[in-house]
Amino acid sequence: GESVGLHLPTLSVQEGDNSIINCAYSNSASDYFIWYKQESGKGPQFIIDIRSNMDKRQGQRVTVLLNKTVKHLSLQIAATQPGDSAVYFCAENIPGNQFYFGTGTSLTVIP
Amino acid sequence: DSGVTQTPKHLITATGQRVTLRCSPRSGDLSVYWYQQSLDQGLQFLIQYYNGEERAKGNILERFSAQQFPDLHSELNLSSLELGDSALYFCASSVGLTSGSGRVYYEQYFGPGTRLTVT
Repeated sequence: GESVGLHLPTLSVQEGDNSIINCAYSNSASDYFIWYKQESGKGPQFIIDIRSNMDKRQGQRVTVLLNKTVKHLSLQIAATQPGDSAVYFCAENIPGNQFYFGTGTSLTVIP
Repeated sequence: DSGVTQTPKHLITATGQRVTLRCSPRSGDLSVYWYQQSLDQGLQFLIQYYNGEERAKGNILERFSAQQFPDLHSELNLSSLELGDSALYFCASSVGLTSGSGRVYYEQYFGPGTRLTVT
């Protein structure tokens, strides 16, 4: 299968700081990406998506950056809160194909 | 709450048994996807249905099968269960959003999952 990997398996940040979670994808044909948040015992929660015709997309307190040249995307969370503590993973999609998911980065917010 | 429902929440059964997991998609979503998430593993795609028809198959074992009914709910059947089948099973649903180029983007929304424990 395809390889969607995360650079850092764990990340700890102070409450109020900004968080950056990274994801590398392997297939240059991937043109759609989604970031998910998964809290313990719950299903993945859709956070934000981005299409390959964009290099940046902003949501509420979150920003996703896409660098197609190096096949990398990142999720930035502004003013991180304790409720942001969770596992975050990215998913890539090739047209007409399934989604491939990374294993995730565990974000811990220190009060 | 994503709008996707799954039952049961927890399931404990013995090896060799057969179980059925149920999923109801979000209102209006025609696609249903099934995923398996084992400990320390990412989500593994099993199978997708679109409006009652099988659309794509992933790493689904022959002991597993699924179907989507006319009311769009879906069931995942797992038979001859083995200890290694213990995992979280997630269902996701999506509606396709067609761009100007004709590319269809499927925003997938996940249910809360069923935790299967095989003893």
